[in-house]
Amino acid sequence: EVQLVESGGGLVQPGGSLRLSCAASGFTFSSYWMSWVRQAPGKGLEWVANIKQDGSEKYYVDSVKGRFTISRDNAKNSLYLQMNSLRAEDTAVYYCARQLPVDYWGQGTLVTVSS
Amino acid sequence: AIRMTQSPSSLSASTGDRVTITCRASQGISSYLAWYQQKPGKAPKLLIYAASTLQSGVPSRFSGSGSGTDFTLTISCLQSEDFATYYCQQYYSYPPTFGGGTKVEIK
Repeated sequence: EVQLVESGGGLVQPGGSLRLSCAASGFTFSSYWMSWVRQAPGKGLEWVANIKQDGSEKYYVDSVKGRFTISRDNAKNSLYLQMNSLRAEDTAVYYCARQLPVDYWGQGTLVTVSS
Repeated sequence: AIRMTQSPSSLSASTGDRVTITCRASQGISSYLAWYQQKPGKAPKLLIYAASTLQSGVPSRFSGSGSGTDFTLTISCLQSEDFATYYCQQYYSYPPTFGGGTKVEIK
């Protein structure tokens, strides 16, 4: 069974940093592009970033370029999102997601940016 | 970025109804379109990809059509478990973008 389990969310002040993790199991992690998708409270879905199987290609939505970094460790079956210079508008549930279109989603982890 | 516009933003329907949701892309995306269903407090679920291909395990009452800029999701006979919010997404070019969502509510 495919499982994606996010962790690392929480409350952080504006300008702060947070690192999200996603533990993958039930499939060959190294064979798939992986993404982060977020959803602000009461709002729609927004794709944030994705990364190729070997980490050689990464793409970001404009609003996070230069602030967020996606990475992966295939030996640990893990996906990461380093988030720096956080803003109030980054407040959202962050989902770990397999490939595009997304066929498997994690349960999400809430990131709240507030003073 | 390609803009995805869904309509309506919400609708009220009864079980057994036929429901159609439309999604329009601001430029041509061939058939690189997916539909998702999301229930409150849950992660989205993939229903359809490549505009009309049903994801494994999804009931056949769901169908998708269209190509280029105009797409539709149809639920042929609405069931109680289908009351949810539906999103389209293009994955033709970066960044992949979602429509604003269509909330299907009980009449």
